[in-house]
Amino acid sequence: EVHLVESGGGLVQPGGSLRLSCATSGFTFRTYWMSWVRQAPGKGLEWVATIKQEGGEIYYVDSVKGRFTISRDNAKNSLYLQMNGLRAEDSALYYCARDKIVGPTKFDSWGNGTLVTVSS
Amino acid sequence: DIQMTQSPSSLSATVGDRVTITCRASQSISNYLNWYQQKQGKAPKLLIYEASSLQSGVPSRFSGSGSGTDFTLTISSLQPEDFATYFCQQSLRSPLTFGPGTKVEMK
Repeated sequence: EVHLVESGGGLVQPGGSLRLSCATSGFTFRTYWMSWVRQAPGKGLEWVATIKQEGGEIYYVDSVKGRFTISRDNAKNSLYLQMNGLRAEDSALYYCARDKIVGPTKFDSWGNGTLVTVSS
Repeated sequence: DIQMTQSPSSLSATVGDRVTITCRASQSISNYLNWYQQKQGKAPKLLIYEASSLQSGVPSRFSGSGSGTDFTLTISSLQPEDFATYFCQQSLRSPLTFGPGTKVEMK
């Protein structure tokens, strides 16, 4: 069974940093693109970043470019999101999502999310 | 960026009803359209990918159609477990974008 478990969220002051982790199991992690998607409280879904299998292609939503860095460790079956320069508008539940092997994106498995709150 | 809209934003329905939700893209996205279901306090779940392909394990009462800019998610006979919020998402190009959601509530 596919499992994705996020961790690393918390309360941080504006301008601060957090590193989110996503531990995965139940599938061959290195064969999948992986993504982060966030959801502000009571709001809709917002794609944040995607990384290809070996990390050779990476994409970000414009609002996090230059502040967030997505990475992965295929030996540890883990996905990461380094978040710097955090802003109040980054407050959200951050989901790790399994993406495609090839072809169009489809987020077919999700973790339960880790909550990031940016506030002074 | 490709903007996604959904209508209605919410609807009230009864068990057994046929429910239709519409999603529109700001430009043609061919069939690069996914549908997700999200229940309160839970992670989203993929229902339909590439506009009309049913994700493994999803009941056949869910179906998707459309291409280009206009898409539809249909629930043929609403069940109690289907009360949730439904999101569409385009997968043509970055930035990947979601619709604002349609909340299906009990009448």
